[in-house]
Amino acid sequence: DAGVTQSPTHLIKTRGQQVTLRCSPKSGHDTVSWYQQALGQGPQFIFQYYEEEERQRGNFPDRFSGHQFPNYSSELNVNALLLGDSALYLCASSLGGQTFYEQYFGPGTRLTVT
Amino acid sequence: QKEVEQDPGPLSVPEGAIVSLNCTYSNSAFQYFMWYRQYSRKGPELLMYTYSSGNKEDGRFTAQVDKSSKYISLFIRDSQPSDSATYLCAMSSNTNAGKSTFGDGTTLTVKP
Repeated sequence: DAGVTQSPTHLIKTRGQQVTLRCSPKSGHDTVSWYQQALGQGPQFIFQYYEEEERQRGNFPDRFSGHQFPNYSSELNVNALLLGDSALYLCASSLGGQTFYEQYFGPGTRLTVT
Repeated sequence: QKEVEQDPGPLSVPEGAIVSLNCTYSNSAFQYFMWYRQYSRKGPELLMYTYSSGNKEDGRFTAQVDKSSKYISLFIRDSQPSDSATYLCAMSSNTNAGKSTFGDGTTLTVKP
């Protein structure tokens, strides 16, 4: 049973560029949440997708957007990249829009903005 | 001020020691309390979750929640070198259960 998968593993981009990160949830899960984890800090909630809609959003600018597909996989898009966007981007899957009940994280995508 | 504050560590203990990891929080709406373990260059792994106040035990791990003090703890008994990792506390509320608010983590090293 495959867990949460994310691609790519690493990514290097230049300031001002756009990036798309991808996530496939654990089998049987229908909810995907995205987090940003800066070095030495805990994950910060970006947003959550459930039933192909953004259900909740954290304190992130509109440069961060996402999408969920009918097969529950999800994309995170970041436009106009800033140096401060360099971080580990984590995808977590769960069931039914809840996170406290068995939220599984992927290994993350490490984004470096130069 | 952050909603969730976690003892920063780092923490270094000998094998077999009892470890105490702690978080405080300011949002009284938090009802769900989770502990995650994160190994280097990996995603967080859920260890335990509790609802409201009380204790929960799972093998060598015990989670405690004191809502009156807005204080939660994770105890690890008989610590092993394989327990060396960063431990993250996280919390959610009933009205905002889709969002988890994390502490910044405590890095634990268990020396053989």
